[in-house]
Amino acid sequence: QITLKESGPTLVKPTQTLTLTCSFSGFSLSTSGVGVGWIRQPPGKALEWLALIYWDDDKRYRPTLKSRLTITKDTSKNRVVLTMANMDPVDTATYYCAHRREGAGYYFDFWGQGTLVTVSS
Amino acid sequence: QSVLTQPPSVSGAPGQRVTISCTGSSSNIGAGFDVHWYQQLPGTAPKLLIHGNNNRPSGVPDRFSGSKSDTSASLAITGLQAEDEADYYCQSYDTSLSGSVFGGGTKLTVL
Repeated sequence: QITLKESGPTLVKPTQTLTLTCSFSGFSLSTSGVGVGWIRQPPGKALEWLALIYWDDDKRYRPTLKSRLTITKDTSKNRVVLTMANMDPVDTATYYCAHRREGAGYYFDFWGQGTLVTVSS
Repeated sequence: QSVLTQPPSVSGAPGQRVTISCTGSSSNIGAGFDVHWYQQLPGTAPKLLIHGNNNRPSGVPDRFSGSKSDTSASLAITGLQAEDEADYYCQSYDTSLSGSVFGGGTKLTVL
């Protein structure tokens, strides 16, 4: 059974760097084809894909946020970490991590519960 | 503005059939990438509803079905139930982003 859970601060100040951790079980990020993604959702708005890390440490970022995002993995601890620099109030959102499944493209078959991050001074 | 376009809202009475459209372009759906659908109940995380255009994960009722044609896709829900009231999102892959794209979401209201 695959489970994921996000953790991190609920409140950050503008210009600070956000660090979120995704702890997962039921799969290994050292297995070929496996990936973990981050998706966010501002209050009352749509889902927005942010980043993805693959089993081979290949990384993909949303182009408009690429300069601010870093995604890393710790295979031994079953964790994926996302950092977002220079936070702004518009970055207030629920942040989800999700297990990526291969397809023609890919999709997210298991999601964490999400963590709400508020950016405010 | 989302790369994939969905109607903001749809509604239907219990027992009726509703469809939700998802319109993309030649860099995503039209490029041959699959479309996937998620259901998000109020206050919860998205749940995979349809993958690979028309495949239901285990546990998803067969009242839900998907289709894809050219640069668009559709989610159909038959025998509408009160518990289907939720937000629905389509998702695909986009070559210009080299990443995943979501629709703007559609709020389904069961009258």
